Order: sequence, then C-alpha cells, then structure tokens
Amino acid sequence: DAGVIQSPRHEVTEMGQEVTLRCKPISGHNSLFWYRQTMMRGLELLIYFNNNVPIDDSGMPEDRFSAKMPNASFSTLKIQPSEPRDSAVYFCASGPSSGQEQYFGPGTRLTVT
Amino acid sequence: DAKTTQPPSMDCAEGRAANLPCNHSTISGNEYVYWYRQIHSQGPQYIIHGLKNNETNEMASLIITEDRKSSTLILPHATLRDTAVYYCIVRVRFRDKIIFGKGTRLHILP
Repeated sequence: DAGVIQSPRHEVTEMGQEVTLRCKPISGHNSLFWYRQTMMRGLELLIYFNNNVPIDDSGMPEDRFSAKMPNASFSTLKIQPSEPRDSAVYFCASGPSSGQEQYFGPGTRLTVT
Repeated sequence: DAKTTQPPSMDCAEGRAANLPCNHSTISGNEYVYWYRQIHSQGPQYIIHGLKNNETNEMASLIITEDRKSSTLILPHATLRDTAVYYCIVRVRFRDKIIFGKGTRLHILP
C-alpha cells in the first residue's frame, strides 16, 4: 500500500490567495483527519471525517478554512483567503475507523508570504 | 489537555534499550494508552497501544503499571533512526480524537 498521499508537498503563496491541499487516504480506511503543526502550537486536529461525513470540525480555526470529502478516496482542505499566520505543516491521516490508530501522510508545508 | 506527562527530552546510547516513561494518573478505566512518534520532517507514526496488559509488536513493547497510572515504552535496541519525538496519548478507543501533547524528544547517541 502506498500509504496516505498528500499533495502538494510544498506550497508557497501570497497573502490573500486561495490554497487547496489534497489528501488520498489508505484504501479501505473509513476515517480521515486533517492536522496542522506549528512550532508554537504543536500538532492540532482541525477536522475529521467518518465515512465521508464531517464529525468534528471544532478545531477549524475560522471560516477561512473549509474541508470536504466528496468520496472515500479523496479529501481537500481549502484556505481562502490565506494569511501569513496559516503557515504551517498540514498533515492528513486516515484510520480503519473513527477512534482507532491513525496513519499519517508526509504533510504539506505551507508558506504564506 | 493532553492528560499525560512526559519528560521533554531523553538520551540513549545506540544499541541499548530506550525506556520512555509516561504518567497518566487520571486515566479512566476505558481509556487506552497509545504511543506515536514523529521523526523530523515526517508525519507521526503509530507505534503501539494497550489497555492494561503489556503489549509487544515488531517496533516496541509497552509496559503498563498495575494501577494504570503510568506506562513505559521500550525500544529494545535503539538505533540512530529511532531519534524522534515520542508522544504518549490516552483516549477512549473508538470514540475520542487524538490530542497530541509536547512529547519526549529522544536522542540516540552513536
């Protein structure tokens, strides 16, 4: 299995631009998670899905952030408009079902200038 | 609130066993102990989990005290590739989301 796939691996954009991060979970996994990691705040859960349905989005920082999971093999995290404080590494993870162990992707390093 | 306490950093000589402690004095009866690690510039990696019995897999062993208020992750023969931040997490399986604390930064010394 290829594991969780994320794209792009690196993204540099200017403030105000829209950013879309993509994730392909491990085949057969029913849960998908988006995390953000910064030096100051560590690893934070933003949102997670179970069977393509958003279960908990309480970690989404504000309305500029949105996430979708149109099918079992694809999810996006969108930031519109982006701000410099959104600079971080964004990880996607998937798991066999909600509440079990999670398997993380390599992350997307986002820099907003 | 990560519910666990870990030392911020530890050193271990290459080839020796690395023993990483974790305190979880307020753990509930239905909460499991999970361990993940994060190697520099990579996503966190699941290692092992347990409820009350000791567990072992190809990566590590997990020793949980009888009162379940603390646990130890053991890497039996540490290598340089085991240098990482190790996170101890307690959660109700099948229910709670993972909350990562600050973890222990393990340095393997050649």
